[in-house]
Amino acid sequence: NAGVTQTPKFRVLKTGQSMTLLCAQDMNHEYMYWYRQDPGMGLRLIHYSVGEGTTAKGEVPDGYNVSRLKKQNFLLGLESAAPSQTSVYFCASSSGTAFSGNTIYFGEGSWLTVV
Amino acid sequence: AQSVTQLGSHVSVSEGALVLLRCNYSSSVPPYLFWYVQYPNQGLQLLLKYTTGATLVKGINGFEAEFKKSETSFHLTKPSAHMSDAAEYFCAVSEEGSSTLGRLYFGRGTQLTVWP
Repeated sequence: NAGVTQTPKFRVLKTGQSMTLLCAQDMNHEYMYWYRQDPGMGLRLIHYSVGEGTTAKGEVPDGYNVSRLKKQNFLLGLESAAPSQTSVYFCASSSGTAFSGNTIYFGEGSWLTVV
Repeated sequence: AQSVTQLGSHVSVSEGALVLLRCNYSSSVPPYLFWYVQYPNQGLQLLLKYTTGATLVKGINGFEAEFKKSETSFHLTKPSAHMSDAAEYFCAVSEEGSSTLGRLYFGRGTQLTVWP
């Protein structure tokens, strides 16, 4: 019953460091997403993927890169972390778009602090 | 363009009282509407969704929401609050379109506190 799994769950970075967040889903979903959640802002889409080997920008893509080399994995990278990237990051996946009536499944979140 | 407004970032009710969480949206085409719940230190879980058909939608844990096109609203209600309902609730909208790929746009969330 794994669903969507994110690693790591917590991380503290120094400004300028790089890191990668890993998202894995075991539901054979085509669509995967990375969101960030900030207090009073709701969830904002960073990047998404509609299939293996494809990625696209969301609402707030600057400072992040992503890769979808395998269908089950979606990686979010921070090349040079900034304090503004302190946030809770959520990965999600779905078999199709929300407008098609598909349920989007979320991971439990990754708490990232940049000092 | 889509936007979702949740009126009230914090709502407090007594256990057993009516829960009403407000959501208004703007959309140029008929939208699909969703409510998600987030318990502390957890991811988001789908409560209910409106796609087409009956405008009163029932979800999990006794929650329901009514789509009112004339008011562009999708308010979430529960007749009797329980302590376990304390969580953050997010309204979201999705609409068809090549530029959006039918993805979700979230409101800013409403934190529900339930007092004993």
